[in-house]
Amino acid sequence: GAGVSQSPSNKVTEKGKDVELRCDPISGHTALYWYRQSLGQGLEFLIYFQGNSAPDKSGLPSDRFSAERTGGSVSTLTIQRTQQEDSAVYLCASSLGTGADWQYFGPGTRLTVT
Amino acid sequence: AQKITQTQPGMFVQEKEAVTLDCTYDTSDQSYGLFWYKQPSSGEMIFLIYQGSYDEQNATEGRYSLNFQKARKSANLVISASQLGDSAMYFCAMREGQRLQAQLWSRKSGAAGNKLTFGGGTRVLVKP
Repeated sequence: GAGVSQSPSNKVTEKGKDVELRCDPISGHTALYWYRQSLGQGLEFLIYFQGNSAPDKSGLPSDRFSAERTGGSVSTLTIQRTQQEDSAVYLCASSLGTGADWQYFGPGTRLTVT
Repeated sequence: AQKITQTQPGMFVQEKEAVTLDCTYDTSDQSYGLFWYKQPSSGEMIFLIYQGSYDEQNATEGRYSLNFQKARKSANLVISASQLGDSAMYFCAMREGQRLQAQLWSRKSGAAGNKLTFGGGTRVLVKP
């Protein structure tokens, strides 16, 4: 079946502009996660959605970052007034959300802020 | 303090030989899960292997095995018979707060029990 998909694969934007990154999780996965990977670094947790529960936003680095998940499926990560330090690969993952399940990752969106 | 430490930033391995990637972790939880992911140059994170803290046997998946030493808080990945396609970044990750209750796994609520905390990664280059 289809894996996690993300769009766009690459995004170049000017400093100060807003960007939206999209994630389509695996069908039937109730849990969805956003991570950020800066150049040469490990992954940093951003936000977590589980079913219809309120998202856990504890990893968002500033109030310029927000995310929503519509209908328990597709998620959009929005970064307002982008800064150069926002340049990174943004990875989305989904999981069944039950038991000792593991997370399946999408290919990521490479964001470059110029 | 770092929760997941991968002390080898990069290593070379000869094709067909085995390689061990180190991972140590820090947690006060009794129950947790440990994961290894592979990230090739394409950027996608590929799940390799999982070890639960209460699992008595070391996890194995094909050419991947996990050398789990709970007392030392280490979860090293062993790749046997290395192939050129194994060249990639490898990340060790932990999920805290899994709790074994009568064969059922449950977690702390929210991201605390679900997010993965990653190490800095080890880059492996397999030489022909």
